[in-house]
Amino acid sequence: AQSVTQLDSQVPVFEEAPVELRCNYSSSVSVYLFWYVQYPNQGLQLLLKYLSGSTLVKGINGFEAEFNKSQTSFHLRKPSVHISDTAEYFCAVSDGSARQLTFGSGTQLTVLP
Amino acid sequence: EAGVTQSPTHLIKTRGQQATLRCSPISGHTSVYWYQQALGLGLQFLLWYDEGEERNRGNFPPRFSGRQFPNYSSELNVNALELEDSALYLCASSPRGVEQFFGPGTRLTVL
Repeated sequence: AQSVTQLDSQVPVFEEAPVELRCNYSSSVSVYLFWYVQYPNQGLQLLLKYLSGSTLVKGINGFEAEFNKSQTSFHLRKPSVHISDTAEYFCAVSDGSARQLTFGSGTQLTVLP
Repeated sequence: EAGVTQSPTHLIKTRGQQATLRCSPISGHTSVYWYQQALGLGLQFLLWYDEGEERNRGNFPPRFSGRQFPNYSSELNVNALELEDSALYLCASSPRGVEQFFGPGTRLTVL
């Protein structure tokens, strides 16, 4: 069985400041990792994914994440946030065979002016 | 390229009724997934269909069911609605891989 822990339920940050949203996972097999963003009253949009290869993954809107197998982490980072980045962010894991995604509980990022 | 579409956008039912939610995947995608996003419970996997067959099911009672049609679109049926079924139901589609693309969701309210 897999599980995902997002350590922070809410992260307030000032505009143009850097941000890191933390995600840890547990799984007994190799995994695929994803970050999704959800704006109010909308579905989920894929920000980035780790399937294999380089552990530093770059996504859309200036976001990046680093896969750390030894620490079972996949933290999301952005060097300078904008007001428009205010949204809920979900980390998710799939083991490939079962295919469905297991999601963390989400982190609400609020960018303050 | 058109994304995943879901209908209706909103659905209001009363307890005990049945609800039917629909999903059209991205063209060329053969897998459809359903997830429930209920307040306080997060995003939970409901069902996975591929090539017309149910491949996996989450920890939900049998009154949650569905099907996938030959054109790969899908229906989610919820029978004997309960108040706690009120949630945003998200559909996702995938080609033969692990990446999933989500639709905008159907907001189901049970009164």
